[in-house]
Amino acid sequence: DTAVSQTPKYLVTQMGNDKSIKCEQNLGHDTMYWYKQDSKKFLKIMFSYNNKELIINETVPNRFSPKSPDKAHLNLHINSLELGDSAVYFCASNDQANTGELFFGEGSRLTVL
Amino acid sequence: AQSVTQPDIHITVSEGASLELRCNYSYGATPYLFWYVQSPGQGLQLLLKYFSGDTLVQGIKGFEAEFKRSQSSFNLRKPSVHWSDAAEYFCAVGPTGGGNKLTFGTGTQLKVEL
Repeated sequence: DTAVSQTPKYLVTQMGNDKSIKCEQNLGHDTMYWYKQDSKKFLKIMFSYNNKELIINETVPNRFSPKSPDKAHLNLHINSLELGDSAVYFCASNDQANTGELFFGEGSRLTVL
Repeated sequence: AQSVTQPDIHITVSEGASLELRCNYSYGATPYLFWYVQSPGQGLQLLLKYFSGDTLVQGIKGFEAEFKRSQSSFNLRKPSVHWSDAAEYFCAVGPTGGGNKLTFGTGTQLKVEL
């Protein structure tokens, strides 16, 4: 029944590794997002996809590559992980034609050692 | 560019006391405004939102917020705080007409003393 679900919830890995986080929403929304929350709880948008098309791509290192196989899924792949990538990554979704309210997943805590 | 300021990083209140969390925004037109709550280890949950009309909006869990255009503020209030309200609170602003780019404030951590 979870509306926006992310896996894994926790991820601990070494510098230089490649990892992926998956997100799925069952709300029928047409737009999905990745947000990064740093250690000071600051939330910053990274990417947004609307019907599988990339519409927002903030200043993010190209080691981060989102992929949306369909409008209900948005994955985030990170290459060559660095210490500074440690954060909580939130997936969110909404209807772009709607009033902007975002529905969030529970977050994926990435720790890079 | 739109921006949000939450001047209080931490606030501590006693259970049963009233609460006001401050939020100031910067936006060229009338924005869409939101308050979200994040409990430890959880995602963000929408408390309330303002788009137009009545400037006093009611939300879930007994929260309300008032939009004051002259002060560019959207402060969150609750008359009587419960211990379960302890969490991180985020104010966010989005473009008029909706759309997809919400900008969040840095959050206010609320502690409730029993």
